[in-house]
Amino acid sequence: RKEVEQDPGPFNVPEGATVAFNCTYSNSASQSFFWYRQDCRKEPKLLMSVYSSGNEDGRFTAQLNRASQYISLLIRDSKLSDSATYLCVVNMYSGGGADGLTFGKGTHLIIQP
Amino acid sequence: EADIYQTPRYLVIGTGKKITLECSQTMGHDKMYWYQQDPGMELHLIHYSYGVNSTEKGDLSSESTVSRIRTEHFPLTLESARPSHTSQYLCASKWRGETDTQYFGPGTRLTVL
Repeated sequence: RKEVEQDPGPFNVPEGATVAFNCTYSNSASQSFFWYRQDCRKEPKLLMSVYSSGNEDGRFTAQLNRASQYISLLIRDSKLSDSATYLCVVNMYSGGGADGLTFGKGTHLIIQP
Repeated sequence: EADIYQTPRYLVIGTGKKITLECSQTMGHDKMYWYQQDPGMELHLIHYSYGVNSTEKGDLSSESTVSRIRTEHFPLTLESARPSHTSQYLCASKWRGETDTQYFGPGTRLTVL
């Protein structure tokens, strides 16, 4: 089983729609969670951290469900500029010298006019 | 914007050449990372460092080597480039805390002929 799993998509969504992605992680001891955005042939950039209580940043809402070991990203009123690959990132740090930041393969989102 | 830089941005080179990809950050981050990413594929961690004189191999085996003589500098070297090394190489850095954000450089796109 992959440590961080995402539906690769692509998700083809009309402009203005609401879209949601989920990501599951295998290590229940994971401590921190992030969503990154990666545009084609560019570097990943932090979109938002994910907090236990859930958090919102404008049109973007992130939720964490520790019991079911998944995190979600909701994008409301989607824009053409939201088209990108969204990477789920989990810090599975467990000590012992291993660095635990684990990236999912990403979900490809295409917003259509 | 993150203060992390990579040079060169693009490199086309012949088989057998020795190459060094440069990565520098001016944020004073302890941890630095090298990832390899093929087009449309996931990120693979190939090296990381906790600080000066610390280097560790990542999840994906790589023929490259790294060094960390100064906090701000984390170069990656290929002694003898091969076509199989053709890929995008992304450098990243962060503070040591588990919840701290990882910042990426713009990447070096390497093509070995």
